[in-house]
Amino acid sequence: DADVTQTPRNRITKTGKRIMLECSQTKGHDRMYWYRQDPGLGLRLIYYSFDVKDINKGEISDGYSVSRQAQAKFSLSLESAIPNQTALYFCATSDWGGDTGELFFGEGSRLTVL
Amino acid sequence: QKEVEQDPGPLSVPEGAIVSLNCTYSNSAFQYFMWYRQYSRKGPELLMYTYSSGNKEDGRFTAQVDKSSKYISLFIRDSQPSDSATYLCATPSGYALNFGKGTSLLVTP
Repeated sequence: DADVTQTPRNRITKTGKRIMLECSQTKGHDRMYWYRQDPGLGLRLIYYSFDVKDINKGEISDGYSVSRQAQAKFSLSLESAIPNQTALYFCATSDWGGDTGELFFGEGSRLTVL
Repeated sequence: QKEVEQDPGPLSVPEGAIVSLNCTYSNSAFQYFMWYRQYSRKGPELLMYTYSSGNKEDGRFTAQVDKSSKYISLFIRDSQPSDSATYLCATPSGYALNFGKGTSLLVTP
């Protein structure tokens, strides 16, 4: 099984619908992240969490919310999806030992908003 | 201006070629520089990282940092079709990573 698991892997939805993307990890890391990837724009940080009680906005948090249900679970919600939220979403974890900051990514959730 | 800039390509080379992938960064305080590799339909994976200036070699891959010009490079020797992927440079920002846009590389047999 993968260390970082994202569900669903693919989702097509309509404008205005509420969508939740889920992430679970078995690496035992405290830090979890949500990024989105768009062609020509690269990876951009949406939210990050250093532990269950610590949630922080990234550079593009508008239109998104998150929930850290447990150390191993971090979900991303789109309360009312819009077409420009069509993207590939990645969850990542890190133990951030020192400055090297290696991130471990899931395989991505491809979201299409019609 | 993004903190890390990278030409997205795409870059197409024949098998066996030497590949040079490059990024520039804006913050002279950055000390660690990373290269991630992302295969199609997969998440990025750390390929190499370097600290401060200089070179680091790992098999066919060499990562190079020139702090005077704020330039990061990844060289791939004897490139193989299995090297076809998107390569992303990244630097830590204290709580997360700043990624370049990624360069798409295709190595043709």
